[in-house]
Amino acid sequence: DAKTTQPNSMESNEEEPVHLPCNHSTISGTDYIHWYRQLPSQGPEYVIHGLTSNVNNRMASLAIAEDRKSSTLILHRATLRDAAVYYCILYSGNTPLVFGKGTRLSVIA
Amino acid sequence: NAGVTQTPKFQVLKTGQSMTLQCAQDMNHEYMSWYRQDPGMGLRLIHYSVGAGITDQGEVPNGYNVSRSTTEDFPLRLLSAAPSQTSVYFCASSYLRTGVSPLHFGNGTRLTVT
Repeated sequence: DAKTTQPNSMESNEEEPVHLPCNHSTISGTDYIHWYRQLPSQGPEYVIHGLTSNVNNRMASLAIAEDRKSSTLILHRATLRDAAVYYCILYSGNTPLVFGKGTRLSVIA
Repeated sequence: NAGVTQTPKFQVLKTGQSMTLQCAQDMNHEYMSWYRQDPGMGLRLIHYSVGAGITDQGEVPNGYNVSRSTTEDFPLRLLSAAPSQTSVYFCASSYLRTGVSPLHFGNGTRLTVT
C-alpha cells in the first residue's frame, strides 16, 4: 500500500488558517487523497478527498501538488472545535482504507 | 437516516467470555468494515466485507469472526475475549470500495476485558 507521511503534531491559534501537510511520494495514478479527522471520543469523520485538482468544500480545502507527491489540507479559520487528529490516506478502492497515525492538531484560544 | 449504528456503546467482559458487537447501516452501502483503536494509536482494520455473503480479513483478524448475511448488518464476534482485545471498536461503511466513496463511521463501542 502507498504510504503517507504526516507531522505528529501541529499547533494553531484560533481564527487563523491551518495548513496540514502530507507527503505521499509513492502515490499511484489510481490513488485518491482522502482526509479524515477524529475528534476526541468520536469516530473518524470524512473531511475531503481529491485526485489531481484542488478541492473545496464547507469544511476545508485540499491543495494537491502538481506531481501529486504531496498535498495540504487547509482549514481557513481554525476554531477550538477543529482540534482533532487529522489523517491523510491514499485510497484507490482496490484495498481497504488503512489509517496511519495522523497529525494531532491543537488549537489555542 | 440514522447512518451507522453501533451497539452497545460500552461493554465489560471477563476473560474467556464471548460476545457480539452489532453494526447496522441504513444507507444501502455495499462495503462495511471493522476497526479497533487502542489508546493513543491509529485505527487498525480487523475484517471487512464488500457485500452480503462476502468477508475478508484485515490487519488484525485473530480472535474475531464476522459474517454478512444482509446488506445492512455486519456483526463482529469475539469468541473468547482476552485482555488484549480491550479497545474501542469502530464500524464503517461506504457505497462502493472505490477511491471516491468516503467511509461513514459509527460512534464506537468501548470494550474492556478484565
